[in-house]
Amino acid sequence: DGGITQSPKYLFRKEGQNVTLSCEQNLNHDAMYWYRQDPGQGLRLIYYSQIVNDFQKGDIAEGYSVSREKKESFPLTVTSAQKNPTAFYLCASSRRGPNTEAFFGQGTRLTVV
Amino acid sequence: ILNVEQSPQSLHVQEGDSTNFTCSFPSSNFYALHWYRWETAKSPEALFVMTLNGDEKKKGRISATLNTKEGYSYLYIKGSQPEDSATYLCAFLMNTGFQKLVFGTGTRLLVSP
Repeated sequence: DGGITQSPKYLFRKEGQNVTLSCEQNLNHDAMYWYRQDPGQGLRLIYYSQIVNDFQKGDIAEGYSVSREKKESFPLTVTSAQKNPTAFYLCASSRRGPNTEAFFGQGTRLTVV
Repeated sequence: ILNVEQSPQSLHVQEGDSTNFTCSFPSSNFYALHWYRWETAKSPEALFVMTLNGDEKKKGRISATLNTKEGYSYLYIKGSQPEDSATYLCAFLMNTGFQKLVFGTGTRLLVSP
């Protein structure tokens, strides 16, 4: 079955540690996105990528980094520079072009203690 | 930061009521406007993708309209049912050479039997 897989579903980390969230898709989509959701808020864009080896900062990129070495994979690293890393992280992908919806992973809930 | 705004923030209606939500978005760099339904413990799923000014889409009891010139879209639910309870998200797809999908804060709908 085609889809997007995020792992792990729950992640706990100590303050000051970097952590990498996985996002893999087998939909052959060019565009991939990372979003963050905090309680009572919508989805805020962290990073997005349209092609391999290229990505753009979203609205809240500070303290995060990404890579796009393969079309299928778009991992997000939450660095120790991110001041409030505890949140729900959602990865999405889509084809390029206007007439295309985004498909989402199940999300990763990160708790930093 | 791109502003995509939704109203109301939340809504509580009785079964059988009809309701509507608003999404406002920038009028420049428009590529498409998406509506998603996000049920608890699930991933967001696309309802509609609209690209042309004046577009109207319908899926069962749910319909949406689009006005790109003034930068707004409406989502209508006719005869709400308890299973319609979810958060409804709109997303603005812009293309400035890079395809960027920005979400609104969402409208949380609760339909009571």
